[in-house]
Amino acid sequence: EPEVTQTPSHQVTQMGQEVILRCVPISNHLYFYWYRQILGQKVEFLVSFYNNEISEKSEIFDDQFSVERPDGSNFTLKIRSTKLEDSAMYFCASVGTGSSYEQYFGPGTRLTVT
Amino acid sequence: GQSLEQPSEVTAVEGAIVQINCTYQTSGFYGLSWYQQHDGGAPTFLSYNALDGLEETGRFSSFLSRSDSYGYLLLQELQMKDSASYFCAVRDTDKLIFGTGTRLQVFP
Repeated sequence: EPEVTQTPSHQVTQMGQEVILRCVPISNHLYFYWYRQILGQKVEFLVSFYNNEISEKSEIFDDQFSVERPDGSNFTLKIRSTKLEDSAMYFCASVGTGSSYEQYFGPGTRLTVT
Repeated sequence: GQSLEQPSEVTAVEGAIVQINCTYQTSGFYGLSWYQQHDGGAPTFLSYNALDGLEETGRFSSFLSRSDSYGYLLLQELQMKDSASYFCAVRDTDKLIFGTGTRLQVFP
């Protein structure tokens, strides 16, 4: 069964450093998302991406965040200057066209900012 | 603001039936989804209601009343492996707005 993959599974970085989180959505899916989940809290929407551009973003997704689909398979989230409060699990998700209400989530990247 | 409220925790024994409620207040609404998340895992899709009524998928059923801004997930014949967190999520345009989550503990 096709699945969304994410790398790395765990990233530790120092405050102020840049990080890039990588995702490979399910092939032939067209809509891509990043969500984050702070430990013990709910999942929060960050950004949605379609047709090579951002379709919607939340208040959390400020200027320090950016997304890119550099090739036909990868989807990346970059945090330019990490803060302590960016520590969270970051999930990538994708949606196909057949059943657009079902989002397929990757296993997540745990980001720890020290 | 946007909010989805769920009970924080529910406990039950194997074989029992449990209902997890969700009330929502969002600016947009296309439908209500339910996701399961085991500790350290990713959310996995369980069900979706776009219209009022009951949707049944095996041991899981989900109900929606748009006029009441309310839905629930019904889990039957509980198994130990059902111990997890359950999130309702409103589909607003193409994004999901998640609820606060309900931790279900199933005891033998």
